[in-house]
Amino acid sequence: AQKVTQAQTEISVVEKEDVTLDCVYETRDTTYYLFWYKQPPSGELVFLIRRNSFDEQNEISGRYSWNFQKSTSSFNFTITASQVVDSAVYFCALQSNAGNMLTFGGGTRLMVKP
Amino acid sequence: DAGVIQSPRHEVTEMGQEVTLRCKPISGHNSLFWYRQTMMRGLELLIYFNNNVPIDDSGMPEDRFSAKMPNASFSTLKIQPSEPRDSAVYFCASRLRNLKNQPQHFGDGTRLSIL
Repeated sequence: AQKVTQAQTEISVVEKEDVTLDCVYETRDTTYYLFWYKQPPSGELVFLIRRNSFDEQNEISGRYSWNFQKSTSSFNFTITASQVVDSAVYFCALQSNAGNMLTFGGGTRLMVKP
Repeated sequence: DAGVIQSPRHEVTEMGQEVTLRCKPISGHNSLFWYRQTMMRGLELLIYFNNNVPIDDSGMPEDRFSAKMPNASFSTLKIQPSEPRDSAVYFCASRLRNLKNQPQHFGDGTRLSIL
């Protein structure tokens, strides 16, 4: 069985602060894929990034960066200089190569206050 | 490029009525997924199609739920008869090819309220 845990259910920051969203996963598969999705207040689910289990290189995209550490089974997401528009629920998800299911974490609600 | 299109965006109906949710996947995507999102259970996979064929329907809660994909550009999720506990946001997602490393792209969802 696979599992994704997002221990932070809700985070509140003030605009321009940096914030890190934690994601810890469990899987028995050696090949798997990790994803982050954003769900803004309007409700849609927006794909942000994908990471393969065999590629531990960190990635930066503008104010967003992702830290994948296989040794600790973590795939954390950092927003630098947060903005009000970053307010959303963020989901981490795991897809094993063996199964069909994309397993989602419970989500972290990020509130960025002006 | 058009994303995944779901209709209706909102549906309010009385219990016992039949509800049909519709989904048009991204053109060229041949894997399609139906999910349900609730506060209590989060995002749950209901059913998954590949090349219009249902591959895994183990997440369909009960016989009241059924899903079809008559062609590559259209899928429906039907609830008959509907019950208040079916109230949720239902998402459709599509993926390019049956490759696990490809991201699923989601529609805007249908917010379903059963009174």
